[in-house]
Amino acid sequence: GQQLNQSPQSMFIQEGEDVSMNCTSSSIFNTWLWYKQDPGEGPVLLIALYKAGELTSNGRLTAQFGITRKDSFLNISASIPSDVGIYFCLAGTYKYIFGTGTRLKVLA
Amino acid sequence: DVKVTQSSRYLVKRTGEKVFLECVQDMDHENMFWYRQDPGLGLRLIYFSYDVKMKEKGDIPEGYSVSREKKERFSLILESASTNQTSMYLCASGQGLNEQYFGPGTRLTVT
Repeated sequence: GQQLNQSPQSMFIQEGEDVSMNCTSSSIFNTWLWYKQDPGEGPVLLIALYKAGELTSNGRLTAQFGITRKDSFLNISASIPSDVGIYFCLAGTYKYIFGTGTRLKVLA
Repeated sequence: DVKVTQSSRYLVKRTGEKVFLECVQDMDHENMFWYRQDPGLGLRLIYFSYDVKMKEKGDIPEGYSVSREKKERFSLILESASTNQTSMYLCASGQGLNEQYFGPGTRLTVT
């Protein structure tokens, strides 16, 4: 099945640094969702975006729905050790497509 | 808060056994989904249901079937388990194209 391009695939950062990741596609979507998954657990919804250009925050997390409707960005500010995990995007029109995931590791 | 529960967190079955994975949601969502998640392959959709007794094949339905007799419950059935069905299985529910909420997952091992 189709997957969204998500980058970076993985990243190691120092505690306190800001993190940016994105998902891109050649197709247009009406909904972008961002999830975090801890090892051995189900994904947890972080932010949902429904309008092109929309910028939404959830605590230290900020996500944007790209103006072209073909991409989305997630930023994490002042990272902490518990931010470690896999982040992935989910985009939808009549069906959902998943991103390939970004594995984040935070060094204390 | 939305709650999606799955019947087992860990399951070990033998090759050829019939396996039932149960998923229950408490938000009256129309849509329910079954995915499997494997390293390097991400999440892949097995089946989804948009209403009671309705089902649609996802990307990898072979070797699986589903049942949705009640709105809150969506079951995944492995008719004859095989070792290549060892995986993490995730259930999700949602309303329209709004958020999908995932359960905690069932890690199935087929020996």
